[in-house]
Amino acid sequence: EPEVTQTPSHQVTQMGQEVILRCVPISNHLYFYWYRQILGQKVEFLVSFYNNEISEKSEIFDDQFSVERPDGSNFTLKIRSTKLEDSAMYFCASTTDRRNEQFFGPGTRLTVL
Amino acid sequence: AQSVAQPEDQVNVAEGNPLTVKCTYSVSGNPYLFWYVQYPNRGLQFLLKYITGDNLVKGSYGFEAEFNKSQTSFHLKKPSALVSDSALYFCAVRGNSGNTPLVFGKGTRLSVIA
Repeated sequence: EPEVTQTPSHQVTQMGQEVILRCVPISNHLYFYWYRQILGQKVEFLVSFYNNEISEKSEIFDDQFSVERPDGSNFTLKIRSTKLEDSAMYFCASTTDRRNEQFFGPGTRLTVL
Repeated sequence: AQSVAQPEDQVNVAEGNPLTVKCTYSVSGNPYLFWYVQYPNRGLQFLLKYITGDNLVKGSYGFEAEFNKSQTSFHLKKPSALVSDSALYFCAVRGNSGNTPLVFGKGTRLSVIA
């Protein structure tokens, strides 16, 4: 059964460093998403991406964040200059149609020191 | 603005007993409603959804949920709980217009005791 994959599973970085989180969505999916979950808190929407552009973004997704689909299979989230409060689990998701359920990857745990 | 409320942080139930995990929502227009389950150190797994049609929807692992428009609720149920059902359960909602994002509740931890 096809699934969303994410790498790395755990990323440790120093405050102020850039990180790139990578996702490979399910191959025939058209809509792509990033969410984050701070430890013990709820899952929060960051950004949605369709047709090679951002279709929606939350207040969390400020100028430090960017997304890219560089090669038709990968979907990346870049944090330009990480802050301590960026420490969280980051989930990628994809779907065929925005009305349908989203399929989530296993997540990348980002720890900013 | 969209919102989801899961009023219980924790639900404890004995194995074999029925379980209910509560969810209420607020959204403009007709809702698309979802339940996801999260096991330790894993991503979110889709359980079931309500888009339109029959108010009672059945999903994976014997779970079901009932959409109640007047009460704006979408409670998750299972007739007979298993120890393996112990996990974190998230209710989520989005509106049916435009690119409104999926909004999650804070989650309810279900513990099924043998």
